Amino acid sequence: DTEVTQTPKHLVMGMTNKKSLKCEQHMGHRAMYWYKQKAKKPPELMFVYSYEKLSINESVPSRFSPECPNSSLLNLHLHALQPEDSALYLCASSQDPGLSNQPQHFGDGTRLSIL
Amino acid sequence: RKEVEQDPGPFNVPEGATVAFNCTYSNSASQSFFWYRQDCRKEPKLLMSVYSSGNEDGRFTAQLNRASQYISLLIRDSKLSDSATYLCVVIPTTSGTYKYIFGTGTRLKVLA
Repeated sequence: DTEVTQTPKHLVMGMTNKKSLKCEQHMGHRAMYWYKQKAKKPPELMFVYSYEKLSINESVPSRFSPECPNSSLLNLHLHALQPEDSALYLCASSQDPGLSNQPQHFGDGTRLSIL
Repeated sequence: RKEVEQDPGPFNVPEGATVAFNCTYSNSASQSFFWYRQDCRKEPKLLMSVYSSGNEDGRFTAQLNRASQYISLLIRDSKLSDSATYLCVVIPTTSGTYKYIFGTGTRLKVLA
């Protein structure tokens, strides 16, 4: 069982819809991440929150909007997505980035399809 | 040169075989290294961290070679269930960074 929980598991939406992906962890981790993964490719970093503040935005289009309501929750708000945004969206968390050798723990992802 | 490189494979090996993968990294200041496995259409799962002295977990052994800037993963007595993609992950600086750099992954198929 994963300690990082993502909902929904699957999402199909039209290009004009607005939806949100949710991620929750109760491990006391202080860094949380959103990744996008296409088939046969490694995960691609989108956003990083550290201590509930956005610390990295990897030039992600504004149709993706992250939010960190508290230290356990991470949301990704979606609006006006394109078909090429169809992918597996992974949330991850890690302890304190100031410490070395801290692995990331991944949720089982949301498989997103844009019609 | 990519920051983290892996042979994409696939490595096709018979059950019971020993197989090894390498992963090279370009930043000599890198301090933290990990191996993850990822099954088809699933999330990456931490297999093991890689320590300077090398470490072993059952059939899996990870090693770090700082001089040549690579890490390795050895799987002994391969099982069918070991079939997966193995991702090498490197944190390229000593601390205060949130970027985990992924290799492209190496696909392993263990054949009956």
